[in-house]
Amino acid sequence: GENVEQHPSTLSVQEGDSAVIKCTYSDSASNYFPWYKQELGKRPQLIIDIRSNVGEKKDQRIAVTLNKTAKHFSLHITETQPEDSAVYFCAASTGETGANNLFFGTGTRLTVIP
Amino acid sequence: DSGVTQTPKHLITATGQRVTLRCSPRSGDLSVYWYQQSLDQGLQFLIQYYNGEERAKGNILERFSAQQFPDLHSELNLSSLELGDSALYFCASSPEGVPGKLFFGSGTQLSVL
Repeated sequence: GENVEQHPSTLSVQEGDSAVIKCTYSDSASNYFPWYKQELGKRPQLIIDIRSNVGEKKDQRIAVTLNKTAKHFSLHITETQPEDSAVYFCAASTGETGANNLFFGTGTRLTVIP
Repeated sequence: DSGVTQTPKHLITATGQRVTLRCSPRSGDLSVYWYQQSLDQGLQFLIQYYNGEERAKGNILERFSAQQFPDLHSELNLSSLELGDSALYFCASSPEGVPGKLFFGSGTQLSVL
């Protein structure tokens, strides 16, 4: 089955700096890569996603890049703000409807220091 | 609001007891997933249902069971509870065509004393 590894497990940055979280996956059939943000005591929420036919996607201060050949994808947050502090989970999916195919990384706890 | 409803929000019970957690998916979503999250831990996949049928099982204990009803709501039953079962239990649903795109409920915080 799919194996998703996520690094680092914790990350501290100064407000205004950039943060990068990296994930690798093992199943070449994976074609959908969502990122979830979980604030303390809250539900995980999808913040950005990318499909395998796209190399990069941006949404304001966040961006995701995908390297299919190397089987890795990354989340980039620029101009970090204190409200970016949360746990971020990457995931990989083969996109098969009706079958569990979503595999989460172990999470990265991001702390933005004011 | 994700559109996924979970009840109750909090549940306090004793060891050996049985509880039922309930989840209503977003309108139109056929898939329901259950996850367990212990303190400062990741999301542990328990089980998935699609249109009333079990589709996948993760690290779900034999003391735990679930079902999805014809109206698509789902229930997770936890029995013979142990202290280690204390955790946040999330339900999620996903839209057709994008099964990896999960919408999570607000979770049920279970405390076993």
